[in-house]
Amino acid sequence: QSALTQPASVSGSPGQSITISCTGSSTDIGAYDFVSWYQQHPGKAPQLIIYDVTNRPSGVSNRFSGSKSGNTASLTISGLQGEDEADYYCGSYTSSSTLVFGGGTKVTVL
Amino acid sequence: QLQLREAGPGLVKPSETLSLTCTVSGGSISSSNFYWAWIRQAPGKGLEWFGNVYYTGRTYYKPSLKSRMTISVDTTENQFSLRLTSVTAADTAVYYCARAEAGPRLPTETPASVTLIRDWGQGTLVTVSS
Repeated sequence: QSALTQPASVSGSPGQSITISCTGSSTDIGAYDFVSWYQQHPGKAPQLIIYDVTNRPSGVSNRFSGSKSGNTASLTISGLQGEDEADYYCGSYTSSSTLVFGGGTKVTVL
Repeated sequence: QLQLREAGPGLVKPSETLSLTCTVSGGSISSSNFYWAWIRQAPGKGLEWFGNVYYTGRTYYKPSLKSRMTISVDTTENQFSLRLTSVTAADTAVYYCARAEAGPRLPTETPASVTLIRDWGQGTLVTVSS
């Protein structure tokens, strides 16, 4: 199963909104509503911030939101803050009952 | 609060076997609601999932790694383990153990139903080098 496709980098100014795309196929993102997103700060473990396309775990800021259309999922960060500077990974369940991740997107706050 | 901690050698020689153990604290590995997973991240690269285990011992592996790996669980010690044989430099990575969950409406009590990684260990770097 190939990795999901994410842009290598996305940037924005404080207070702005940015969107990270995650493109898969009809056998992963397009087949199930089991898309998750993870935030990873340098040298730290990833942290779950979105699951089942749109759900936020308890304690995660409502500035993070997820959506999906066809084979592409998206993560939107609104009201961008300096602490949001990190790497973001999407993940999806696949028709092979495996988990596949994207290559990651580096978010820079200008 | 759940904590996961990986332990094992930081250096493994090519062609040898990589062995890691994950100790779970703050929760029971025998919970019927959760699964236990291994994920790795090569230096400067993305995440790679490669297997899950349920407390009953049932496993599900990434097909491309299945022939080289074994994940096992020890409910008495609240631990689960990874063995990866015949390692090469390509297996150099930070290895994370994690708690995972199954998606709604998928078959229950099977690690093939894991759809998300809920909690992560801090990770441990394993370097394959002679």
